[in-house]
Amino acid sequence: EVQLVESGGGLAQPGGSLRLSCAASGFSFSAYGMHWVRQAPGKGPEYVSAISSNGDETYYANSVKGRFTIFRDNSKNTLFLQMGSLRTEDMAVYYCARNLVRGHWYFDLWGRGTLVTVSS
Amino acid sequence: EIVLTQSPDTLSLSPGERATLSCRASQSVTSSYLAWYQQKPGQAPRLLIYGASSRAAGIPDRFTGSGSGTHFTLTISSLEPEDFALYYCQQYGGSPYTFGQGSKLEIE
Repeated sequence: EVQLVESGGGLAQPGGSLRLSCAASGFSFSAYGMHWVRQAPGKGPEYVSAISSNGDETYYANSVKGRFTIFRDNSKNTLFLQMGSLRTEDMAVYYCARNLVRGHWYFDLWGRGTLVTVSS
Repeated sequence: EIVLTQSPDTLSLSPGERATLSCRASQSVTSSYLAWYQQKPGQAPRLLIYGASSRAAGIPDRFTGSGSGTHFTLTISSLEPEDFALYYCQQYGGSPYTFGQGSKLEIE
């Protein structure tokens, strides 16, 4: 089955860190650009970060630049998001997503998400 | 940053009726790089339309996307019970890539 499964969410304190993982299966993970998109409760999705298929190129939204790091391990079909200096405004469900066509950042496959809560 | 404004916020209709959802951009969306997603409670978004008018794999033909420049529309020709959900537009023509705030389609 073609799927993405996120993990690693949970409770973190402001200023703390978390590492999210996204395990891919059922498709050739190394052939696709991958992304993180988050959604705060009751809000629309917000773009977070992207990484090219081979990991050489990355992109970050201004809101997370310098605090989050995206990387991938193609040998393990896994995408990661290292989150640091967490803020209350980072609290959201984090989805990993696949873009089907290189350079066209719409997402045809999404995981079910993992909830990140930032609170003291 | 391109701001996407969706309207209406909530649309109340009955099964069998036609739904029209709007997405307006604060500036022209390059090459009509606009997508539509459907989201149900507790689920991830589901891609419906990309490139403003191309239906994603497995999407029924009652879903139609149209528009260009700054105004885009998602039309559902005859609502099925499973179509009542949240709908989001997303532009991927220029960084930062942005989503609309969503339109809720509810049963009247």
